[in-house]
Amino acid sequence: EIVMTQSPATLSVSPGERATFSCRASQSINRHLAWYQQTPGQAPRLLIYGASTRATGVPDRFSGSGSGTEFTLTISGLQSEDVAVYYCQQYDKWPPISFGQGTRLAIK
Amino acid sequence: QVHLVQSGGGVVQPGGSLTLSCEGSGFTFSTYGMHWVRQAPGKGLEWLTFIQYDSSDRYYSDSVRGRFTISRDNMKNMLFLQMSSLTVEDTAVYYCASRLAAAGSDAFDAWGQGTVVSVS
Repeated sequence: EIVMTQSPATLSVSPGERATFSCRASQSINRHLAWYQQTPGQAPRLLIYGASTRATGVPDRFSGSGSGTEFTLTISGLQSEDVAVYYCQQYDKWPPISFGQGTRLAIK
Repeated sequence: QVHLVQSGGGVVQPGGSLTLSCEGSGFTFSTYGMHWVRQAPGKGLEWLTFIQYDSSDRYYSDSVRGRFTISRDNMKNMLFLQMSSLTVEDTAVYYCASRLAAAGSDAFDAWGQGTVVSVS
């Protein structure tokens, strides 16, 4: 089973600044990685798949990068509506599909 | 417009059973594999199970194999999760999900609204 580890657990960023999330896989997953945003009481929303492809309707201030075992999600020009928990997910070798434990984004 | 509408959650005693449903609309349900994912209170996302578009393959996580059964009725655009031998650790919000437009991936771009299962 592939273990996904996200860091940091909590991120506090000022409005307009950049937020950077990290996700590490326990073995290579090529570029088979997705990022999700989840606000309280809501289902997760797909942001990025294939490590760097934005899902339909996702603003271009969200970007993803990485391959192999190290991945990054970046939000440029942080807005208050971006407050959420962000999860990474691998789908390279499954079952099982595995998620990271999440990073909580707060506004300073 | 794509919709996944869930039903069937509730409160159940330990050792009990419950069936969740998920109805798809706005897409050709019978051509897409479907998943169930859950989220315990205050915790992260946990993948549970998958069923192929034609029910030819089903996969389960270790945590639910032998207790949960995924099934579908393509004539009615319905997905089901039969849960038995429930424990307090199964208390969670359960989501149905699928990859519809994120081509070449197994990322979930369609989610149900979630249904609460409370075992107590």
